[in-house]
Amino acid sequence: NAGVTQTPKFRILKIGQSMTLQCTQDMNHNYMYWYRQDPGMGLKLIYYSVGAGITDKGEVPNGYNVSRSTTEDFPLRLELAAPSQTSVYFCASSYHGQGAGDQPQHFGDGTRLSIL
Amino acid sequence: RKEVEQDPGPFNVPEGATVAFNCTYSNSASQSFFWYRQDCRKEPKLLMSVYSSGNEDGRFTAQLNRASQYISLLIRDSKLSDSATYLCVVSPNFGNEKLTFGTGTRLTIIP
Repeated sequence: NAGVTQTPKFRILKIGQSMTLQCTQDMNHNYMYWYRQDPGMGLKLIYYSVGAGITDKGEVPNGYNVSRSTTEDFPLRLELAAPSQTSVYFCASSYHGQGAGDQPQHFGDGTRLSIL
Repeated sequence: RKEVEQDPGPFNVPEGATVAFNCTYSNSASQSFFWYRQDCRKEPKLLMSVYSSGNEDGRFTAQLNRASQYISLLIRDSKLSDSATYLCVVSPNFGNEKLTFGTGTRLTIIP
């Protein structure tokens, strides 16, 4: 059971370049999330999705875009990379439904992104 | 005031000791509370949920004080493997979406 898989694990970008961070989960979770974690800081929610075709902004969405065409995949796109986007990016997923209770968010291993 | 505040530490504690962390939250309407654990350069993982009545999982005890808006985590008989960063996490909902993470408290257990 792979859980949440993120690719790539590391990437160096030049200012102004674009890239897509991939995230896929095989747990049939309906909710998916993208966070960024800066050194010594807590995780900040960028975007989240409650199901295929539905996305919404989190706390720090500027400079990013997402899509959710399938239940499994939730890619994060950086259109014009800026040094302020240097961070560790985590994708997560969770199940929500009637009687789900405290279902944990399952995180991927993270993508370490540097913008130079 | 930050939404979720934690003492960043580091806490350096000898093996076998008891250690406690506190966390305060600013949104009095918060409904769900969690402790996550994050090892160095790894992803966060749920350690335990925090219930109003307090709850225990082996050597770990979590408590919630809604009146004072703080959450605590107690680790008894600490092990070397407990070395990690402990993240206090709060949600405005009964559930697990829209989580707000604290910056974490770093714990090192010393042999």
